[in-house]
Amino acid sequence: ETGVTQSPTHLIKTRGQQVTLRCSSQSGHNTVSWYQQALGQGPQFIFQYYREEENGRGNFPPRFSGLQFPNYSSELNVNALELDDSALYLCASSLDVSPLEQFFGPGTRLTVL
Amino acid sequence: AQTVTQSQPEMSVQEAETVTLSCTYDTSESDYYLFWYKQPPSRQMILVIRQEAYKQQNATENRFSVNFQKAAKSFSLKISDSQLGDAAMYFCAYSDTNAGKSTFGDGTTLTVKP
Repeated sequence: ETGVTQSPTHLIKTRGQQVTLRCSSQSGHNTVSWYQQALGQGPQFIFQYYREEENGRGNFPPRFSGLQFPNYSSELNVNALELDDSALYLCASSLDVSPLEQFFGPGTRLTVL
Repeated sequence: AQTVTQSQPEMSVQEAETVTLSCTYDTSESDYYLFWYKQPPSRQMILVIRQEAYKQQNATENRFSVNFQKAAKSFSLKISDSQLGDAAMYFCAYSDTNAGKSTFGDGTTLTVKP
C-alpha cells in the first residue's frame, strides 16, 4: 500500500509568481484535502476534492485553485504569490470524504521571497 | 464556525511519566469527530487517536487515551509512560461527520526529558 506523497519537498518562489504543488493520494482513496500550515500554527483548510469535483472550500482567495485527476492525484495552484503564502502545504487523502481515516503527506515547504 | 483551542503552547514531561494535553472546541453540532494528531520534526502528520462524539466511552490506543467531556466541549489527551519518541507538536482537530475538512488548533509542543 502506497502512502500519500507530495512534490516537491521544498520550493522557493518570488512574489507575483505562480506555483503548482502535487499530491498523490493513498491507494484506494478518492478524496484529497489541502491545508496550509503557517509557521507555528495549525493547518488551515484550503479545499477538498472528491471524485474530481471541488467539495468544500475554506477561507482562501480564488488565486488558490486545484484539480483532481482520474487517478485521484491532485494539484494545488497558487497564482500571484504573496509573502504570506510562505508555509507548509499539506495534502491529506481519505475515502469517500470521511475524515475518520485521513492520511497526510509529508508536505511541501513553500518560501516566497 | 467551529473553533479549536489549545491553551498550552508548550509542555514538558519526564521520560516514563504521564502528561495531559488540553483542547477545547466550539460547535453547534451534536455529532462530530475529534482527533489528536502528532507532527514530529519530519513534518508528517500522524493520527494518534480519534473519538466519535456519539460514543460515550473514551478512546484508548495503547499509551494514549482521551478524556472527552461533551457538555464542556473538552477533549484532552493523556500520554502515559512517556517516551523520547513522543516528542513532537500535537494538534487537536475537529471534523463534522458530513464534511471532510478538519479544523485544527494551533498545537502544543511536547518535550520529553530523559
